[in-house]
Amino acid sequence: KQEVTQIPAALSVPEGENLVLNCSFTDSAIYNLQWFRQDPGKGLTSLLLIQSSQREQTSGRLNASLDKSSGRSTLYIAASQPGDSATYLCAVNQGGSEKLVFGKGTKLTVNP
Amino acid sequence: DGGITQSPKYLFRKEGQNVTLSCEQNLNHDAMYWYRQDPGQGLRLIYYSQIVNDFQKGDIAEGYSVSREKKESFPLTVTSAQKNPTAFYLCASSIRARIANYGYTFGSGTRLTVV
Repeated sequence: KQEVTQIPAALSVPEGENLVLNCSFTDSAIYNLQWFRQDPGKGLTSLLLIQSSQREQTSGRLNASLDKSSGRSTLYIAASQPGDSATYLCAVNQGGSEKLVFGKGTKLTVNP
Repeated sequence: DGGITQSPKYLFRKEGQNVTLSCEQNLNHDAMYWYRQDPGQGLRLIYYSQIVNDFQKGDIAEGYSVSREKKESFPLTVTSAQKNPTAFYLCASSIRARIANYGYTFGSGTRLTVV
């Protein structure tokens, strides 16, 4: 059974700092991996989608990497801003199954 | 703009009452999903549907029912058999279920509270 773990559960940093959020999964036979952002009381906003054949994806100040063999993904946020404060969720999609398996998220606080 | 619309945003249910959560998408996506989110537990799949008039149970389907009469709509009914329905409910869609190349799109959620 696929399990997704996100470390740390919470992170507080000063504005301007570069940071890395970690996601690990137990079964490397995934189809793709998706990073989401969730603001309090809101739905999920897709940030980056990495296919199993890809090593990384970039969007603005965000860069996500994927290492299938080791079961790991990282989300790098450059020059963090208070507006980046949110919970970041990692989810894997295993080919052949119809569901995403989610980690419990990392709650990020960027202090002005 | 294309997207997923969930309504209502807040819903209150009395003991023994059935309530229905609405989910509508105009993305022309084939597959739709319902997830439940509880504090500290992450998201868990309730039901999913790959095509019209077909749906499958997820990990926590007991006490819930769904229908998929139209491609655009996937309503979720929380029945009185669901003993702990207070949670945040999220609807999602993707282009194709088995080959979800393009990822998932989520709605803004419905917060259900038992009163």
